[in-house]
Amino acid sequence: EPEVTQTPSHQVTQMGQEVILRCVPISNHLYFYWYRQILGQKVEFLVSFYNNEISEKSEIFDDQFSVERPDGSNFTLKIRSTKLEDSAMYFCASSPSGRSGVSRGYTFGSGTRLTVV
Amino acid sequence: QKEVEQDPGPLSVPEGAIVSLNCTYSNSAFQYFMWYRQYSRKGPELLMYTYSSGNKEDGRFTAQVDKSSKYISLFIRDSQPSDSATYLCAMSPASGSARQLTFGSGTQLTVLP
Repeated sequence: EPEVTQTPSHQVTQMGQEVILRCVPISNHLYFYWYRQILGQKVEFLVSFYNNEISEKSEIFDDQFSVERPDGSNFTLKIRSTKLEDSAMYFCASSPSGRSGVSRGYTFGSGTRLTVV
Repeated sequence: QKEVEQDPGPLSVPEGAIVSLNCTYSNSAFQYFMWYRQYSRKGPELLMYTYSSGNKEDGRFTAQVDKSSKYISLFIRDSQPSDSATYLCAMSPASGSARQLTFGSGTQLTVLP
């Protein structure tokens, strides 16, 4: 079964540092997403990406965040200057298309646990 | 009022019991309704999806949507210890191609052998 792969599984960084979270979506998928889950809280939408540009983004996804698909296989989330409140599990997901993605369900990765100290 | 509300539990049942999990929502634009299962340290995994109102059955799982009451349910029959996980409801509007999901807070379920 195809998987969405995320690396690293756990990242510890100092406040103010830049971090890049990496994802390899399923190869024939067209839509890519980042969600995050702060410990004990809901899974929250951050951003969706299609055709090399952002489709939608939430209020959480401010100027400190950026996404990129640098080489046709990887999909990255960059946080420029991390804050303590950025500590969370970050999930990457992909879907074949926006419409069928809902019916077949997005495929989520196992997540990267980001700890900002 | 929160957009999606879900009783966080925890819910503990004996093996073989019927489990009922529920969510309520406030946004009438939601048209797609999903249930995800999340094991510890893993990403959400889609269990069931329903468009608009109605019932859908898949093996031991039945999803129900009542749009008039803004209420969705997931029933698990003959529950097994392997069903122990956190169950998340998620919803999406019909418009917009990317279909961002709005999740409930999740219900932690333990099925005791």
